Formats: sequence, structure tokens, C-alpha cells
Amino acid sequence: QQPVQSPQAVILREGEDAVINCSSSKALYSVHWYRQKHGEAPVFLMILLKGGEQKGHDKISASFNEKKQQSSLYLTASQLSYSGTYFCGTYMDSNYQLIWGAGTKLIIKP
Amino acid sequence: NAGVTQTPKFQVLKTGQSMTLQCAQDMNHEYMSWYRQDPGMGLRLIHYSVGAGITDQGEVPNGYNVSRSTTEDFPLRLLSAAPSQTSVYFCASSAPTGASLGLLHFGNGTRLTVT
Repeated sequence: QQPVQSPQAVILREGEDAVINCSSSKALYSVHWYRQKHGEAPVFLMILLKGGEQKGHDKISASFNEKKQQSSLYLTASQLSYSGTYFCGTYMDSNYQLIWGAGTKLIIKP
Repeated sequence: NAGVTQTPKFQVLKTGQSMTLQCAQDMNHEYMSWYRQDPGMGLRLIHYSVGAGITDQGEVPNGYNVSRSTTEDFPLRLLSAAPSQTSVYFCASSAPTGASLGLLHFGNGTRLTVT
């Protein structure tokens, strides 16, 4: 039931792009993306609702393909501040349970 | 605006001891939840509440109790601590939007070690 995130880790140079994927074996109502820096609490990035919509925030955007039951997070022209672990949380419907992936660790080097 | 406040920040327990982790929010959120995060892993839901007087189990509820007597507070009780409960515990709250959970506001976490 836990969504599968890929890759597990990625190392980039500042300015490079990255894509993080989140897929589920079950139908999804929404996908939530959070970033967590070491020793801190997760911080909200965005929520995508079923309907195939794409949302964006600064140079971070995401898509949600309901039919494929997957979401992708796109980080464009990565900055040092983007470093951290990215988690997707999947929400299936009406049970108020957000199930989290294992995370993707993103390391940005100058 | 304090947001979500968790206490204590750190705690060391001996096996078999009991304790309560406190969580309070001042945003009038109906939804509150407790997660545990083990090293290198994601968050696992322990218990959650959709309003005062209403609680339900998450993925890993064994060994933990909760109650929700007010909208603001959602304490987590460890009944008899075990080394397997060594983890970082996060409390989170949200104002559900429509049929989905909204943005989760997290507390700063409680690092619990059971020896």
C-alpha cells in the first residue's frame, strides 16, 4: 500500500534538473509532496488532486497522472536550498490516512 | 502564531516505563495525527483524530494510546515503552479541504530513545 518513490537518492550540481517519481498500486485521490531537511520537520510543497492537474511553486512543479496512479516532482535549475529528502504522501479517499513513500534524498553540490 | 507545539523535544525512557508526548495546535484544525519516523524511512501513521472525541488507528497503533478531549490537544501515550519504539515522533494538524486532507502543519518532533 505504501507508494514507491524513485530514485532513492540523486546527486546533482547546482543548476541541474531532477525528477522524482511516486507511484501507487491503488487508485489515488490526491498526492502530497513534502521536503524534509536533516533534523527538521517535513515542510509542505504542494498537493495534487485527481484530474491530471499540474501545479507549480517557483522552480518546483509536479504532475499527477490518475490513470497511471503516479505523480512526478520536477525540480528545475536546482539550488543548494533544494537539498533534503522529498516525500510523497498518497491519499486514497475518505479515510483520512496519508500513506508516505520512503523518500528520495536529493543532494545538491555547488 | 505558535502553530503545532510538541513537548518534550528529547526523552530517554527505560523499557517498561510509560509516558505522554504532548501536542497542541492553535490553528483550530479539526484533523490531528501522530507519526513516527525511523532512520532513513518515511513517516508512519500511528493514530489520528478528525475532531474532539473522535480518534482512529493508523498503520502502526500497537503500544500507543491517544485521546482528543479538546480541538487543541492530542496527546500520545506510550503504555509500556519498548526499544522498538525508539524513533522520532511528529505531530501534525490540518484543516481538511473537501474530501481530502489539506496542508499538514508539523510540530518540531520528539526524539525518543528507549533503553
